[in-house]
Amino acid sequence: DTEVTQTPKHLVMGMTNKKSLKCEQHMGHRAMYWYKQKAKKPPELMFVYSYEKLSINESVPSRFSPECPNSSLLNLHLHALQPEDSALYLCASSHPRDTEAFFGQGTRLTVV
Amino acid sequence: KQEVTQIPAALSVPEGENLVLNCSFTDSAIYNLQWFRQDPGKGLTSLLLIQSSQREQTSGRLNASLDKSSGRSTLYIAASQPGDSATYLCAVRGSTNAGKSTFGDGTTLTVKP
Repeated sequence: DTEVTQTPKHLVMGMTNKKSLKCEQHMGHRAMYWYKQKAKKPPELMFVYSYEKLSINESVPSRFSPECPNSSLLNLHLHALQPEDSALYLCASSHPRDTEAFFGQGTRLTVV
Repeated sequence: KQEVTQIPAALSVPEGENLVLNCSFTDSAIYNLQWFRQDPGKGLTSLLLIQSSQREQTSGRLNASLDKSSGRSTLYIAASQPGDSATYLCAVRGSTNAGKSTFGDGTTLTVKP
């Protein structure tokens, strides 16, 4: 099983809403990642968790709050987002550092 | 800071042609280089991973090469098909930047029947 599952596939939220994105993998990977991708641009790294600890935060605004409750799950909590935060949010996983990264199909987020 | 460039930005070929996509990077201190395919609005599908100690990897009609010393990788697609139409991204995982991956902007390939 080389699958990374993201839910929901699509999300529309108002600027005052609180929502969460979820990501799950059962490949035994101990590194998990959140990326943001705008149209016709490459993915931009947001956060990296290594062995369930936050190891990299790419200066992401606090309205994005990641959480890694266990080695298979990764959440991204959203609060008070802006319309410019509308994008495709991608989750990925790998063994730390030097092996193949696998991506989920993404959550298409629209902030209205 | 690692910079990754993909050339060309877009490519259109007739079905059946062999083609080469290019990826260049500025810092040769890397763990690996990975090629991905992305269909519009979808996630990334891993195609090939080349470790820094390897020169090439093959999977079906795809062959990826790596020349770390010159900072270059190529993705060769043989006998292209309309189903190969997608954006192809290369990602370089550095060994000096906490293992972060840097992506190129991608090459959008269109294969015409």
